[in-house]
Amino acid sequence: GNSVTQMEGPVTLSEEAFLTINCTYTATGYPSLFWYVQYPGEGLQLLLKATKADDKGSNKGFEATYRKETTSFHLEKGSVQVSDSAVYFCALSDYTGGFKTIFGAGTRLFVKA
Amino acid sequence: GAGVSQSPSNKVTEKGKDVELRCDPISGHTALYWYRQSLGQGLEFLIYFQGNSAPDKSGLPSDRFSAERTGGSVSTLTIQRTQQEDSAVYLCASSLDVRPDTEAFFGQGTRLTVV
Repeated sequence: GNSVTQMEGPVTLSEEAFLTINCTYTATGYPSLFWYVQYPGEGLQLLLKATKADDKGSNKGFEATYRKETTSFHLEKGSVQVSDSAVYFCALSDYTGGFKTIFGAGTRLFVKA
Repeated sequence: GAGVSQSPSNKVTEKGKDVELRCDPISGHTALYWYRQSLGQGLEFLIYFQGNSAPDKSGLPSDRFSAERTGGSVSTLTIQRTQQEDSAVYLCASSLDVRPDTEAFFGQGTRLTVV
């Protein structure tokens, strides 16, 4: 079945550091890939998505590229801010999975001033 | 409403009692999902409704869990004979349709504590 594996947290960085959160997936079909973010005290919200190979999703300075050859969708940001402190979830959805969205375990990011 | 609404926001119940959690999706959204988020864990898929199709119940952890969606809108997740391991945040999400690239919109969740 479909699954998503992402790096365990927490990840602690200083402000302006470079961020990478790794995500790999297993899917029998051709999935769409997502990163969702959960800020403290708030609900999950979509951060970015990509729907086909080599697509790059981007939002708020975050980027992730759909790599079909390595089944990966790593999240990156060149310079993190304290306000980026949150839990980040990698997710996928495809037809063979019955359309439901499958999430990774989440990675908590702490950014220190 | 403008977003996905869940109630109650917090629920404390005694072990063995039944609980009902409610989700009001965004108007017009045909797909509705329930997930469970345990402390320090990711999102565990529970059940998925799409229009009038039979729900995908493949994620329900036991037969104590059930859910229904009336009139293609409001959904209720029922947990019978609650156990302490049921303590978690229960999240509801809805999406406009069933295309895989469609964004899911989440409610704030119901924090369930079984004592």
